[in-house]
Amino acid sequence: QMQLVQSGGGVVQPGRSLRLSCAASGFTFSSYGMHWVRQAPGKGLEWVAIIFYDGSKKYYADSVKGRFTISRDNSKNTVSLQMNSLGAEDTAVYYCARGAGAVAGSFDPWGQGTLVTVSS
Amino acid sequence: QSALTQPRSVSGSPGQSVTISCTGTSSDVGAYNYVSWYQHHPGKAPKLMIYDVSKRPSGVPDRFSGSKSGNTASLTISGLRAEDEADYYCCPYAGDYTWVFGGGTKVTVL
Repeated sequence: QMQLVQSGGGVVQPGRSLRLSCAASGFTFSSYGMHWVRQAPGKGLEWVAIIFYDGSKKYYADSVKGRFTISRDNSKNTVSLQMNSLGAEDTAVYYCARGAGAVAGSFDPWGQGTLVTVSS
Repeated sequence: QSALTQPRSVSGSPGQSVTISCTGTSSDVGAYNYVSWYQHHPGKAPKLMIYDVSKRPSGVPDRFSGSKSGNTASLTISGLRAEDEADYYCCPYAGDYTWVFGGGTKVTVL
């Protein structure tokens, strides 16, 4: 069955960097766009970034633009999120998700989530 | 990229129906027929319940239905069950390859 398994995350000091990874299985990874979505403590979900199926295009939420970079390796069925210049506002559970249906469509399935805590 | 408006909470007794609204703008909900809904139990991965406004993925009970009128999308849960108690989020496509989530609605089964 389709599965996304995340790794990375943890506690990081303000201003530092962190990299999250997401390994896919059970579907043809290279045919789908991939997203990152986050949820800050006590808050709702926030869309973060998308990378097209072939890595040709990437788009970001304004809140992370210029600091976060989404990338993928279709030979390893993985998508990553490089997070730089982290601030307290980036503290959240981060989820990877497969783009489903049309490019403008939905997210399914989702990874299990990984907690990123930005604190000194 | 501003959050959409959802009621903070709705509640109903088992067997009843509840409807969650998701009010956006003519740039997101009203612009495209790409509205999806997610069920989120705390500590678990969100689950897709409705996509493309009113379509149900395989395995989602037909008690869940979606609709849209103008700038407002809605999710209705009929025949409410205890396991439906969760947070629900709408998410329309907002153009230029960006998406925006609603603030989330907590559904309580009384």
